[in-house]
Amino acid sequence: SQKIEQNSEALNIQEGKTATLTCNYTNYSPAYLQWYRQDPGRGPVFLLLIRENEKEKRKERLKVTFDTTLKQSLFHITASQPADSATYLCAPTDSWGKFQFGAGTQVVVTP
Amino acid sequence: SAVISQKPSRDICQRGTSLTIQCQVDSQVTMMFWYRQQPGQSLTLIATANQGSEATYESGFVIDKFPISRPNLTFSTLTVSNMSPEDSSIYLCSVHRGLNTEAFFGQGTRLTVV
Repeated sequence: SQKIEQNSEALNIQEGKTATLTCNYTNYSPAYLQWYRQDPGRGPVFLLLIRENEKEKRKERLKVTFDTTLKQSLFHITASQPADSATYLCAPTDSWGKFQFGAGTQVVVTP
Repeated sequence: SAVISQKPSRDICQRGTSLTIQCQVDSQVTMMFWYRQQPGQSLTLIATANQGSEATYESGFVIDKFPISRPNLTFSTLTVSNMSPEDSSIYLCSVHRGLNTEAFFGQGTRLTVV
């Protein structure tokens, strides 16, 4: 069956450092992969989308890589800030646009 | 972008009853989905709401328990039927406009079954 794995333990990081989150998937051939942010009590908010033929995507302090051979995506937050504290969800998406979320990784940035 | 209005935002219901959740989008969208988020968990896809035809359900979810309607490209409802305390969750509506586009989420409906 399809499986999406993200770091289950919370990532505690000091302000200014780079946070790196991992998303691994199995039994899946996504056409693209998305990353979302979720704050407590709110719905997910879209951050970045990377297609299967793209290796890397950047948006301001965020960077995503996508390795279809390793079946893995890495999500980086550079120069992290306390406001970046949230749960980050990866979502491999099929060619019909349907996607499931990983369990999410909580990031806590301390001043 | 898409603005999604989901109603009700929260409700407390008696077991054995049913609740219908509405999702209204400010513009026509191709794809509409319903998710469930149980306490402390990530989101689980319940079904794809198809306009003009029956919804497509994910493994573990059935139409008798979660009937879905989608009469047009801007509106859908999800009913949680014959509720039990295990149905206490946040239910979210999501839309996107097609492949390689981002998804937008409603604020969710927080359901508590007592």
